[in-house]
Amino acid sequence: SQQGEEDPQALSIQEGENATMNCSYKTSINNLQWYRQNSGRGLVHLILIRSNEREKHSGRLRVTLDTSKKSSSLLITASRAADTASYFCATDAGGNNRLAFGKGNQVVVIP
Amino acid sequence: NAGVTQTPKFQVLKTGQSMTLQCAQDMNHEYMSWYRQDPGMGLRLIHYSVGAGITDQGEVPNGYNVSRSTTEDFPLRLLSAAPSQTSVYFCASRGTKGEQYFGPGTRLTVT
Repeated sequence: SQQGEEDPQALSIQEGENATMNCSYKTSINNLQWYRQNSGRGLVHLILIRSNEREKHSGRLRVTLDTSKKSSSLLITASRAADTASYFCATDAGGNNRLAFGKGNQVVVIP
Repeated sequence: NAGVTQTPKFQVLKTGQSMTLQCAQDMNHEYMSWYRQDPGMGLRLIHYSVGAGITDQGEVPNGYNVSRSTTEDFPLRLLSAAPSQTSVYFCASRGTKGEQYFGPGTRLTVT
């Protein structure tokens, strides 16, 4: 099964800076989703971008999708300490909407 | 709405014991799934269901059973617990746009 893979794996930044993380995948997709997981909690859906979309915004989040390169990026602008979390990308290849998750990208925002 | 709820939050089992992890959602979602999360492995799909009475295997189904008698409930049964099943288990349901809503997780230790 295909799987998203995030890069870099861990990121440490100062509050107010921007954080960018990337995700690559192997096969065609219907959509790609980003999730956040705070320590010891469940995953929270952040944003979904469809295969025919190139960019999407939600508050301080910006997601891009390049289907020719099979990659996506998540940008968090003006980061806050509360953004400290693990971020996962997940790809939906259709069928029964089975999501394939990447291994996660840990972001630490230093106040 | 309570969203997706899971019980118990923590559980310790001895090798060979069986138990059922409970999952319920009150959003009337047809699609539900179970994942396990292990360090460095991301989330792996165990079983999923596209509606009451219909279940199917995911990526790592061995050692687990599921049933879906109602739209709301999707329990996961461990038949004979093994140390390799030590993990954090998440139940999720899928919304209308393909986004998934996760429960808070069950942390299981098998000794």
